[in-house]
Amino acid sequence: EAGVAQSPRYKIIEKRQSVAFWCNPISGHATLYWYQQILGQGPKLLIQFQNNGVVDDSQLPKDRFSAERLKGVDSTLKIQPAKLEDSAVYLCASSFGTGGRNEQFFGPGTRLTVL
Amino acid sequence: QQQVKQSPQSLIVQKGGISIINCAYENTAFDYFPWYQQFPGKGPALLIAIRPDVSEKKEGRFTISFNKSAKQFSLHIMDSQPGDSATYFCAASTNSGYALNFGKGTSLLVTP
Repeated sequence: EAGVAQSPRYKIIEKRQSVAFWCNPISGHATLYWYQQILGQGPKLLIQFQNNGVVDDSQLPKDRFSAERLKGVDSTLKIQPAKLEDSAVYLCASSFGTGGRNEQFFGPGTRLTVL
Repeated sequence: QQQVKQSPQSLIVQKGGISIINCAYENTAFDYFPWYQQFPGKGPALLIAIRPDVSEKKEGRFTISFNKSAKQFSLHIMDSQPGDSATYFCAASTNSGYALNFGKGTSLLVTP
């Protein structure tokens, strides 16, 4: 079974530039998550989709971050404009169902460095 | 606000020893407590999970101990091996809620 795919794996940008990350979840997984993992900390949920609808985006900085899930499959996360504090690993995860007890499968992440 | 507090931040254990990582939580609505293992350059992967209706769960060398009254749970790695060297995250969630609330992680190094 193929895992969660993410691209790019690494991205370096200047502050105030824009950047986009792509995620392809495990086939058949209805729920997709984007997490931000700052160095030395645990992942923090940014947004959760159920199919192509948003379930939870309460921790998404909506003035600069946006996300969409096309046709309930792939998803993109965009930052515009980026700030220095956005430097982190952005993890995408997917699960078959909703609810906290559904195992979440994580992709390898995209490491973003903002200079 | 950190909903799950994890300690220690780092841990060095000799091969064959026992690694113990502790977590504490405040939200009594949490009813699912997974542990994730993360190797460098990889995403976290589910290691083992427990629900509060049991006090202990064992899978191979990995055991979760759960103390509902103290709102604490811990991961024990028996016969630790160098291949166990990784960062371990505890987490908590409610089944009605959706987000996994992660601890800050413990970097484990198992020396030969």
